[in-house]
Amino acid sequence: GAGVSQSPRYKVAKRGQDVALRCDPISGHVSLFWYQQALGQGPEFLTYFQNEAQLDKSGLPSDRFFAERPEGSVSTLKIQRTQQEDSAVYLCASSAGTANNYGYTFGSGTRLTVV
Amino acid sequence: KQEVTQIPAALSVPEGENLVLNCSFTDSAIYNLQWFRQDPGKGLTSLLLIQSSQREQTSGRLNASLDKSSGRSTLYIAASQPGDSATYLCAVRLRNQGGKLIFGQGTELSVKP
Repeated sequence: GAGVSQSPRYKVAKRGQDVALRCDPISGHVSLFWYQQALGQGPEFLTYFQNEAQLDKSGLPSDRFFAERPEGSVSTLKIQRTQQEDSAVYLCASSAGTANNYGYTFGSGTRLTVV
Repeated sequence: KQEVTQIPAALSVPEGENLVLNCSFTDSAIYNLQWFRQDPGKGLTSLLLIQSSQREQTSGRLNASLDKSSGRSTLYIAASQPGDSATYLCAVRLRNQGGKLIFGQGTELSVKP
């Protein structure tokens, strides 16, 4: 597609519910990143894929967070047993490569509200 | 640990003013620094990317400078317009960490007509 597509745009979850957030990167982009952005803050790194390999998951805040990209294209970020502190905008970005001159294209994000 | 700080957190100016947004980072071992724009409810749009070997980049009314040794970057916006109202984020890309970006907390800019 022309850009990075994220769904759903908005998600309201009851505390304790599991949620799944989807990211469709630009076709052919090998690198895919997930970021978490709390209200009034800059995005914070969660995890990074190169094709289907998850090369860095150091930013995942707890073992309730899990991300996958099984075929090297679409990625899903899953949050189990959601808590109020998980409320944030979750941004996905993709890049054609990892060389330092490659730019990033961000999706519009999924706004998660845990009530 | 790399930390990125942006000052001011918010800025309100009348239309037509020239303005400067500041970004500082603690570790100079970076590949590049980028400035992004974020409109409410939207994702990030890349404005300018400065490689670590460069001093500045320009695009239209925007000019970004980089002083890696002092850990500072500035984004200069000339002749500001109401359409420039948005949150501006700077981010550094770290060496040997696969493209991960470390963001500042952003400057929320409001340009009044």
